[in-house]
Parts: sequence; C-alpha cells; structure tokens
Amino acid sequence: EAQVTQNPRYLITVTGKKLTVTCSQNMNHEYMSWYRQDPGLGLRQIYYSMNVEVTDKGDVPEGYKVSRKEKRNFPLILESPSPNQTSLYFCASASATEAFFGQGTRLTVV
Amino acid sequence: AQSVTQLGSHVSVSEGALVLLRCNYSSSVPPYLFWYVQYPNQGLQLLLKYTTGATLVKGINGFEAEFKKSETSFHLTKPSAHMSDAAEYFCAVSVGFGNEKLTFGTGTRLTIIP
Repeated sequence: EAQVTQNPRYLITVTGKKLTVTCSQNMNHEYMSWYRQDPGLGLRQIYYSMNVEVTDKGDVPEGYKVSRKEKRNFPLILESPSPNQTSLYFCASASATEAFFGQGTRLTVV
Repeated sequence: AQSVTQLGSHVSVSEGALVLLRCNYSSSVPPYLFWYVQYPNQGLQLLLKYTTGATLVKGINGFEAEFKKSETSFHLTKPSAHMSDAAEYFCAVSVGFGNEKLTFGTGTRLTIIP
C-alpha cells in the first residue's frame, strides 16, 4: 500500500528545544515536500526536494531545515522552535501526476 | 508564479442539494489542477485531478470538476450532497514536472444541513 508516514502525530515542546519530524515514503518517489497548514491560510510549502541531496526553499522556509540523504526519508528539523511555528505539518511525496500526503503532525510550541 | 483563489471560506448546503465549490487559478504555463478533501483530524485525500486531455474530470465520492481555461476556473461539483461530504476542501495548482510544489487555496469548509 502506498504510504507517507510521519512521526510523531502530536508534539508539544518548549521554545528553543530542537526537534525533528520524520517523514518516510514507500513509493520510490523522487519528489518530496513539507507544508504547514494554518487556519485561513490553507497549506503553504516550507521546503521541497527533487532528489537525494537536492532541496530548495518553498514559500515559508524561515526557521526550518531539511535533509534528503536517502530517497525514502525527508525529515523536517526545527533548530530553535518558536510559538509562531505552532501548526499542522504535512509531508508529501509526489509522482509526475499526483502528490500523496501523510496524516499530519500537530506541533505546539509553548 | 501561480496562485489559487477559493471563493467562500464556508459553504452550507442542504442534504440532497447541489454542491458547488469555486476555484480560480492563475498560472503562466499550463497547470495541473487538483481538489483535495480533508476530514477532521485527518490528512489530505485526493478527490480528483486535471492534467491533460478531457476537461471534465470525475473523482471519488461522486464529485466532478471542469477545467475552463478561458475562465481560469476549476470548480468542484456534486449533484446531491450527503452528510458524509462535510469536510474542508482545498483546490491546488502545480506547474512542476513532479508536483513537488503545489500551491493551495485557503480552503472551503462544507457544511451539510440535514
């Protein structure tokens, strides 16, 4: 079954404490992305990757890092989280005709 | 750069009535267009997509959408609403070869009135 798996699903953390949200796909896709969803703003892209070791900024990259060392994994790193990064995060894996989304990670930064 | 506008952040329809959710896009190149649905506390599920070819596309759960290039629109319709259709709906546009970059609208929350 085609899957994009994110972990954790829920996370509460404190300001400044580094965290990583993992994302893994089993479809052998080259393209992967991270989005954040905020009420009234829809989904906005944070970073994307077109292949291993190839990443680029999306529309809202400030405060985030990513890496793509393996094709199947695309972790999102918050080096020093702040309350304005409280949001619902989605990882996506894409083919030429469709994007598949994970179940989301709800992050709260206090 | 591409953009998506969804008219109406909240839409309410009676059960059995027509559902119409509006989406207009802008793109400098031929776009791929998508509608996604999000049920409470869940991820995004693809309803339907337009890539090339037939401009009327049918999706899951009885939904369909028509790509109208002259109007830059991709409105989502369903002839008869069901209570299970209550959800948030997102229109998205992609101009990348690999759909690595989707631009989303702000979403429309659909409420079904019994």
